[in-house]
Amino acid sequence: NAGVMQNPRHLVRRRGQEARLRCSPMKGHSHVYWYRQLPEEGLKFMVYLQKENIIDESGMPKERFSAEFPKEGPSILRIQQVVRGDSAAYFCASSPGRDRGPLDYGYTFGSGTRLTVV
Amino acid sequence: AQSVTQPDIHITVSEGASLELRCNYSYGATPYLFWYVQSPGQGLQLLLKYFSGDTLVQGIKGFEAEFKRSQSSFNLRKPSVHWSDAAEYFCAVGAWGGGGNKLTFGTGTQLKVEL
Repeated sequence: NAGVMQNPRHLVRRRGQEARLRCSPMKGHSHVYWYRQLPEEGLKFMVYLQKENIIDESGMPKERFSAEFPKEGPSILRIQQVVRGDSAAYFCASSPGRDRGPLDYGYTFGSGTRLTVV
Repeated sequence: AQSVTQPDIHITVSEGASLELRCNYSYGATPYLFWYVQSPGQGLQLLLKYFSGDTLVQGIKGFEAEFKRSQSSFNLRKPSVHWSDAAEYFCAVGAWGGGGNKLTFGTGTQLKVEL
């Protein structure tokens, strides 16, 4: 019973390049949450998606960041034209549906993708 | 909007000593409250959670937490710390409603255990 899978674990990009982070939810889960952890800080909510739909993107930076969760395949967090300030750990969690699930049992987080911009 | 404060950035305890990590939250209704632990380079592992019922919650690895509504606190405790408990600990509050059920995290407490 695989948990939430994120890849790559580590990603290095030069300033101006694009970063694509992938998240495969737990089996049977159709909702995905992305969080970002900046150095020396706690996790901050970025976006909440269900398949083919963005439910809440209130935590996403207005520019350069986008997220999708297609009908087939993993959820993708895309960062265009990366800057040094994007260096962080990006975590994803999943839930079975649009209900209290994550609050009732607690989020299950993936191991994260650590993005370094050089 | 909800918020979480973890007033201690770093805490050092001796192995075998007791531990208490502080967490204060701000939320209008009864919140969902969580404690997570993060080892270096790893993801977050859920230690325990609270929403209703008994205000003393037991978690994994011998941890417990007590919800005190009057103090808006949810402090994490362990009677005897082991060297393997050295990690960063995050308190979080969850809210249901609107577009989803996202968590708001504190900034974390780094625990160091002296042998």
